[in-house]
Amino acid sequence: DAGVIQSPRHEVTEMGQEVTLRCKPISGHDYLFWYRQTMMRGLELLIYFNNNVPIDDSGMPEDRFSAKMPNASFSTLKIQPSEPRDSAVYFCASSFRGPGNTIYFGEGSWLTVV
Amino acid sequence: DQQVKQNSPSLSVQEGRISILNCDYTNSMFDYFLWYKKYPAEGPTFLISISSIKDKNEDGRFTVFLNKSAKHLSLHIVPSQPGDSAVYFCAALSRVVQGAQKLVFGQGTRLTINP
Repeated sequence: DAGVIQSPRHEVTEMGQEVTLRCKPISGHDYLFWYRQTMMRGLELLIYFNNNVPIDDSGMPEDRFSAKMPNASFSTLKIQPSEPRDSAVYFCASSFRGPGNTIYFGEGSWLTVV
Repeated sequence: DQQVKQNSPSLSVQEGRISILNCDYTNSMFDYFLWYKKYPAEGPTFLISISSIKDKNEDGRFTVFLNKSAKHLSLHIVPSQPGDSAVYFCAALSRVVQGAQKLVFGQGTRLTINP
């Protein structure tokens, strides 16, 4: 069975450009999470959805970040405009019936903003 | 405000010896704790968990200990193997507080097992 699928795996973009990261959760999972990994802060939760509805976006750093989940099999994380400090690995993850159950992560999207 | 802290960024252990990874938390509402393991260029994968009603959970070579009064947990790996070299993340959440079921991760500890 396919795991969480993220694209692109690597993205290098110039400051000011729009970046869109994509995620396909595991089929049947009803929770989807977006995390960001940095050296200083480890894995930070940006936002999570339950049944396609955003539940908590308090981790989204600024208005430049937005996330959508138009259906149960697809989510996007958009950064507009991007800045060098946004450079990080962005992980999408999904679980069945909440974070108290095992969360499965994708392989991550490595973003570099120059 | 870092609610889950792993104060050791790295740890080096000889193969066959015990590896002990530590984690501290500040939120007394946390009642479920997990360890995730991450290899380079891969996403984190679940390793072991413990509920706050227990003080120890064991799974093969991996044991997690929880000290609620000290708000501290540790992961023991015995014996350590080269394949255990990875970054280990401690995580915690509250399963009882409505609307607060967020899994909070620490910064991670890079474990290196030397042959």
